[in-house]
Amino acid sequence: LAKTTQPISMDSYEGQEVNITCSHNNIATNDYITWYQQFPSQGPRFIIQGYKTKVTNEVASLFIPADRKSSTLSLPRVSLSDTAVYYCLVGDRDNFNKFYFGSGTKLNVKP
Amino acid sequence: GAVVSQHPSWVICKSGTSVKIECRSLDFQATTMFWYRQFPKQSLMLMATSNEGSKATYEQGVEKDKFLINHASLTLSTLTVTSAHPEDSSFYICSARGPGLARTYEQYFGPGTRLTVT
Repeated sequence: LAKTTQPISMDSYEGQEVNITCSHNNIATNDYITWYQQFPSQGPRFIIQGYKTKVTNEVASLFIPADRKSSTLSLPRVSLSDTAVYYCLVGDRDNFNKFYFGSGTKLNVKP
Repeated sequence: GAVVSQHPSWVICKSGTSVKIECRSLDFQATTMFWYRQFPKQSLMLMATSNEGSKATYEQGVEKDKFLINHASLTLSTLTVTSAHPEDSSFYICSARGPGLARTYEQYFGPGTRLTVT
């Protein structure tokens, strides 16, 4: 099982772009990288998923280098409501395997 | 679409009693459901994986006789905490996956259940 390493916390200000990096040195060939967001006392919410290069959706971008040993979640122009914990997960999505959560990154957005 | 509900949202019980938590997929068939536990300021810890109609697979260190999981239908899984003790107090979260979703690989999480054992 590929383990992930993320910074424990990050601070930002409203309107800034935030980049959260996740390290997954032993990622397997069939593994995808998925990011979730969690607010206190709520279940996690899917943000984005990717396999390689770059993926973009309406809320975030995910950058994955060629060696796939790390990935970066990019949140454009954050607001106070983006204050949450962000988790990076790695796993084989096509085999419906379970995913293990790492420590997550607590993002604090300040006014 | 792809909504997962949990009931109850919070529960307080006395030590030694049992508590059942329900997890339902409201608009899709959940062939696989996962149960997590989360202590304050910690990450989610996977407890078990259940597939509809079969026995749950428990993670190492999770007592299967204490945390009974039943996935009797494609829309319902239950977690029963038997003989609960104060150390079982935690936030329990379920998630579900299933075919036919736009993203079949995605786990859809429930809102969680706060269990307090006194």
